[in-house]
Amino acid sequence: DIQMTQSPSSLSASVADRVTITCRTSQSIAVYLNWYQLKPGKAPKLLIYAASTLQSGVPSRFSGSGSGTDFTLTISSLQPEDFATYYCQQSYFTPWTFGQGTKVEIK
Amino acid sequence: QVRLQESGPGLVKPSGTLSLTCAVSGGSISSNNWWSWIRQPPGKGLEWIGQIYHSGGTNYNPSLKSRVTISVDKSKNQFSLKLTSVTAADTAIYYCTRVGKWSYDYWGQGTLVTVSS
Repeated sequence: DIQMTQSPSSLSASVADRVTITCRTSQSIAVYLNWYQLKPGKAPKLLIYAASTLQSGVPSRFSGSGSGTDFTLTISSLQPEDFATYYCQQSYFTPWTFGQGTKVEIK
Repeated sequence: QVRLQESGPGLVKPSGTLSLTCAVSGGSISSNNWWSWIRQPPGKGLEWIGQIYHSGGTNYNPSLKSRVTISVDKSKNQFSLKLTSVTAADTAIYYCTRVGKWSYDYWGQGTLVTVSS
């Protein structure tokens, strides 16, 4: 299976901060990389697909970049509702696999 | 807006069978999409279990393949998961999802299944 390495595993940030999360894959996956937001008790939410395409309805403060093996999720100005855990996921090789998650906490 | 809702027992005995159903609303399970199950053990990451197409075609995670069956009921617009011979390691939040543009674009809110006697 493709190995996904997310960093950091957790971070503390303040409202309005710029936050960057990285995801590295063990093999090249072109742009078949997606980002999700998970909150306890809520349905997970697709934020970014194909590395950089914003899912409909997702605020523009979220952006994604990268190709090959290195990818980034950026939140340009962190809002209170953005405190959550974020996962990357590759859809190039089966089985599709996820990173281990990055928990974004309030500083 | 597609909505998915998982249902099923929250407690299963070791060596028993875990059975969950995902009801789909706001869209047809016969659309050109695959439908998937994903789980998250407590404190751990997300794991793909398997997926099904409305025609009945399936794909399973090799690590679970011997114990997993996913089926679809088009008349009820739902799909189901059965996992046999469960152990404590199968304790997890189980999510049902729709597979969209090479991604999981709609998710249920998840249901916690605990394996314990």
